[in-house]
Amino acid sequence: GESVGLHLPTLSVQEGDNSIINCAYSNSASDYFIWYKQESGKGPQFIIDIRSNMDKRQGQRVTVLLNKTVKHLSLQIAATQPGDSAVYFCAENRINFNKFYFGSGTKLNVKP
Amino acid sequence: EAQVTQNPRYLITVTGKKLTVTCSQNMNHEYMSWYRQDPGLGLRQIYYSMNVEVTDKGDVPEGYKVSRKEKRNFPLILESPSPNQTSLYFCASSLSADSRTEAFFGQGTRLTVV
Repeated sequence: GESVGLHLPTLSVQEGDNSIINCAYSNSASDYFIWYKQESGKGPQFIIDIRSNMDKRQGQRVTVLLNKTVKHLSLQIAATQPGDSAVYFCAENRINFNKFYFGSGTKLNVKP
Repeated sequence: EAQVTQNPRYLITVTGKKLTVTCSQNMNHEYMSWYRQDPGLGLRQIYYSMNVEVTDKGDVPEGYKVSRKEKRNFPLILESPSPNQTSLYFCASSLSADSRTEAFFGQGTRLTVV
C-alpha cells in the first residue's frame, strides 16, 4: 500500500541550531508535497509546499528538499526557535487524485 | 479574518446517537475536506468536496457522511457513532479544486463516543 512516513518520531534540538525533519514516500507518482506544522491544541498550519518538478524550495527560515530518486523529502528549519516546537507532518498528493496522504508526524522539541 | 470554524470543539456522545460536526469557511474556497487524527496514524482523509454538490470519499469514509449544499459549509455527519470513531477531527479548506494550494485547517473537534 501507499505510505508517507517519517524517520524519527521525536527530534530535540538546541535553540539556534538548524533542524532537519525527514519524510519518505512510497508512491513514485506523487508529485506534490506539503509540510505542515501543528502546535499543541491547534490545527495543522501550512508551512511550505513543493512540486515534483523542483528539487528545492525556500521560504522564511525554512527549506524543503525533494529527492525523487529515493522518494525522500526533508524540511530544514534555520536557527530553530522555541516557537518552532510542534509536530511536523509531510503530506503527498498525486495529480488527478484529490486525496492527501499524511505521515504520522515528527515532534520537534527546541531546548532553550 | 480568514478562518475555518468547526463546532463543537469537544463532544462526548453515546454509541448510536446521530451527531453533526459543522465546518464553515469564509474564504470562498472551493475545496474542503475532513480528516481524523489518531495517535501513530497521523491525519487520514475521510471525505472531500471539490465544490458545491460535489463530494467524494477519502481514505476512511466508513461510518461518515458529508454534504456540500453551500460553498462555505461542509458538515460531517455520523449517523450511528461507534467507539472506534473516537478521534480528533479536522476540517480544512483550500482555494483551488485541484487542491494544490495552501490548505487552512480548523481548530479541531475532539469526539469521544462511549
